Amino acid sequence: DAKTTQPPSMDCAEGRAANLPCNHSTISGNEYVYWYRQIHSQGPQYIIHGLKNNETNEMASLIITEDRKSSTLILPHATLRDTAVYYCILHAGNNRKLIWGLGTSLAVNP
Amino acid sequence: ETGVTQTPRHLVMGMTNKKSLKCEQHLGHNAMYWYKQSAKKPLELMFVYNFKEQTENNSVPSRFSPECPNSSHLFLHLHTLQPEDSALYLCASSQDKTSGTDTQYFGPGTRLTVL
Repeated sequence: DAKTTQPPSMDCAEGRAANLPCNHSTISGNEYVYWYRQIHSQGPQYIIHGLKNNETNEMASLIITEDRKSSTLILPHATLRDTAVYYCILHAGNNRKLIWGLGTSLAVNP
Repeated sequence: ETGVTQTPRHLVMGMTNKKSLKCEQHLGHNAMYWYKQSAKKPLELMFVYNFKEQTENNSVPSRFSPECPNSSHLFLHLHTLQPEDSALYLCASSQDKTSGTDTQYFGPGTRLTVL
């Protein structure tokens, strides 16, 4: 079973920030928080990952709480092309197995 | 474009056919993976190869036979499949770092339909 919990679906207006939550209350000290997204029937696309500190790249920002039990992926200005299923996954470096859940289906509306 | 390519993108086969899926990565990675994604289900890891050696077989039926001739290429040979094997088959690769973390990069997938 997946070690993360995400809402099954969310909506966001185009141009607004999309904030996608993830709960991972049983996270271990060596596990990173990873985010991927999957646009319909394509392969998952890596977005961002982090261990303790907040991270930002050209696609998104990742905010991890101080106790590491939850995180939020932020798409600062959502576009229609950001409509996808977003997956939050925990990954320890020495473990090649990623445990996938069903993610959050984000719909960006005009 | 992730640097991981898969062919064919779509495949329709009968239960008695034999076919192969191909994956190639241009990222200089050492680990390659096959995943299966059935409708409305999470991705399931099937096989993992590290430096051409199989390191994970996630209880996959023998009608799926992987082959990894080198670190850049991965095949999945299919024979006598069942209709329930219809799914999106995804290939991924990673550097296989021994410390820190190891990001997996995915190909576009092969949509397989078994009639």
